[in-house]
Amino acid sequence: AQSVTQLGSHVSVSEGALVLLRCNYSSSVPPYLFWYVQYPNQGLQLLLKYTTGATLVKGINGFEAEFKKSETSFHLTKPSAHMSDAAEYFCAVSPATKAAGNKLTFGGGTRVLVKP
Amino acid sequence: ETGVTQSPTHLIKTRGQQVTLRCSSQSGHNTVSWYQQALGQGPQFIFQYYREEENGRGNFPPRFSGLQFPNYSSELNVNALELDDSALYLCASSAGQTNTEAFFGQGTRLTVV
Repeated sequence: AQSVTQLGSHVSVSEGALVLLRCNYSSSVPPYLFWYVQYPNQGLQLLLKYTTGATLVKGINGFEAEFKKSETSFHLTKPSAHMSDAAEYFCAVSPATKAAGNKLTFGGGTRVLVKP
Repeated sequence: ETGVTQSPTHLIKTRGQQVTLRCSSQSGHNTVSWYQQALGQGPQFIFQYYREEENGRGNFPPRFSGLQFPNYSSELNVNALELDDSALYLCASSAGQTNTEAFFGQGTRLTVV
């Protein structure tokens, strides 16, 4: 079974400061990895994903994440926070096998507050 | 190209009742997954439909059931509602089982009283 742990249910950053959201996963084989963002009263929007290839992945809105197999981590970063980044962020995994399909297992989420 | 749409956006039901939630998948997508997101938690996988057949199920009781239609739209049915069923229900569609990008609807907020 797969599981995802997001360290810190709430993160507060100042506008212009680095955003760092931590995600660790547990899986018998390296899974596919995702970060989603959820704004209030909305569904989830994909920020970025890692399936194969380069371990540093760039996504939308200036976010990037690095897959570290040895650490079973997929931390999300953004060099400079904007007020519009205030939202909840979810790390997710899915099995990297054809038969398993794209069924996602999510972490508990990290709510980001951006201070002016 | 239309995105994933869910209806209704909100509803209130009484414990013991039955509810049906609806999802229209994005154009060209034949796979629909349903998730339950309780307040303050991450979404949990309920089940997935691929070409009208159930293709995997999470740890949810049988009173959670679903259906996918020939146009790939989908329904989630919950019988004998319990207070703990109160949550945001999210539908996600993708172009095939192996496509890694799932597009989410805005969700249906269900409140059971």
